[in-house]
Amino acid sequence: GAVVSQHPSRVICKSGTSVKIECRSLDFQATTMFWYRQFPKQSLMLMATSNEGSKATYEQGVEKDKFLINHASLTLSTLTVTSAHPEDSSFYICSARSEALLETQYFGPGTRLLVL
Amino acid sequence: AQSVTQLDSHVSVSEGTPVLLRCNYSSSYSPSLFWYVQHPNKGLQLLLKYTSAATLVKGINGFEAEFKKSETSFHLTKPSAHMSDAAEYFCVVSDPGTYKYIFGTGTRLKVLA
Repeated sequence: GAVVSQHPSRVICKSGTSVKIECRSLDFQATTMFWYRQFPKQSLMLMATSNEGSKATYEQGVEKDKFLINHASLTLSTLTVTSAHPEDSSFYICSARSEALLETQYFGPGTRLLVL
Repeated sequence: AQSVTQLDSHVSVSEGTPVLLRCNYSSSYSPSLFWYVQHPNKGLQLLLKYTSAATLVKGINGFEAEFKKSETSFHLTKPSAHMSDAAEYFCVVSDPGTYKYIFGTGTRLKVLA
C-alpha cells in the first residue's frame, strides 16, 4: 500500500516554456502533498506544502509564481514550472501523507526536468 | 528546532560484512525518526520508522535501527551487506506540527565485491 506515482518521469523542454508534473496517490487519500527539489548528490530541498483544497505554502526563497502548485483533489497534486530556464533543470520529487498514515510520507519516483 | 546529522557522507563495506550508518538527532519533542533509501534517479523508499513505540525498529531488507535517547542517536544497521544495498540513505526527523521532514545530508553506501 501507500503508492505514489509521478508523471512524467523525464521531460526535456525549451527555455521559456511551461512544464506540468503530476503527483498521484494511488491507493490512499493524500491530505497533504509535498514538493521537493533535489540537485545532484545533494539532499532533498522542500519547495512547498500542499493541502487539498487550499493554497500551497511555499518555503522561503521559492518563487510561488514560478512554481505553481495545485492540489485539487485528495489524490492529485500538480507542479507547473512556468517559463522554465536552464537553472530550473533538476530532479523534482513529490511525497504524500494522510491522516491515517500520520507523519509518514510516501515518495513518488521523481521527475527529471532538463531545460535547454 | 529539530535537526538530524548524518555523520558520514560516504561509507564503504565489503559484501557480506555489517553495515552501520550513523544518525544523530536534535529535537525538543519526542521525535518521529525515519530512514529512507534512494537508488540512483529514483524516489525515496521507506526503510523503517520510529514513532515512540519499541526502541529497536526492524525494517525492510534486513535493516534495523535503534533509538537511543541518551545518545540522541538513531543509527541504521544491517548484519550482512548485499550489492543491491548500494544507494544513498537519508535519516529524517518529522516536525510534529507541520509534518514537514527535516532531512540529513545523506550517506552514500558503497558495497564492494
